[in-house]
Amino acid sequence: IVLTQSPATLSLSPGERATLSCRASQRISTSLAWYQQKPGQPPRLLIYDASNRATGIPARFSGSGSGTDFTLTISTLEPEDFAVYYCQRRGNSWTFGQGTKVEIK
Amino acid sequence: EVQLVQSGAEVEKPGATVKISCKVSGYPFIDYYIHWVRQAPGKGLEWMGLVDPEDGETLFAQKFQGRVTLTADTSAKTVYLELSSLSSDDTALYFCARSPGSSGFLDHWGLGTLVSVSS
Repeated sequence: IVLTQSPATLSLSPGERATLSCRASQRISTSLAWYQQKPGQPPRLLIYDASNRATGIPARFSGSGSGTDFTLTISTLEPEDFAVYYCQRRGNSWTFGQGTKVEIK
Repeated sequence: EVQLVQSGAEVEKPGATVKISCKVSGYPFIDYYIHWVRQAPGKGLEWMGLVDPEDGETLFAQKFQGRVTLTADTSAKTVYLELSSLSSDDTALYFCARSPGSSGFLDHWGLGTLVSVSS
C-alpha cells in the first residue's frame, strides 16, 4: 500500500488555513496517523486513527477521512507550524507518505 | 518520563555491518513495540521494521528483509538494530520510536543515531 501526499509544498502566511492530503492506494479504514517534523528534531505525533489528536496537540490541528482519502487541517497557521508533515499507515507495513512541506509565503 | 536514548554516531565502510541501540525508560518495556525509522539527508521518513519486546517477534519492510536484525534485551530495556551489507545509500539518521502494540502509532521517539557509510 502506497501513501501519496499532496501538495509537496504548501506556501502560506501565518493566520491562513492549511489543508494537506494523504491518499492510500488501497482502503485502510482509519488506520492513519499524521506527524510533524521540524529541522533537527524527530517527528511528533499529531493525529492518530485519522481524526484523534494526540496528547498535548492544539485544537487547531484536525484530521479527517477514512478508506483511501485523508486530510490534515491546520485551521489558523501559527509561526511554529511551518514544518514538514507526514502521514503513516498502520498494518502489515507501517509506510510513510513522502511528506508535505508547509513553508512561509 | 518516557525516554528513548539512542547510541552515538557510527562511521562504517561499505560492506560492513552496524549495530545501534535504543535504551528505553519511564514505562513498562514489554508493553510497547519499538520501531526503527530512518531518514537520509534531506529526504523523507522510511519505516524499516519493528520488534515486540515481549516475545521478540519482528516485522520488517520488504526492502529490509534479510538485511536487518532487531533484538530486544528485556533485562537492559534496550533494543538493537543490526544492518548488514552497508552501502552509501544507508547513510541516514536512524530513529527508534515506540507504539502501544499494533493498535497505536509512534508516540515517543529517540533523537536519532547518525550512520555514515563511506570508503
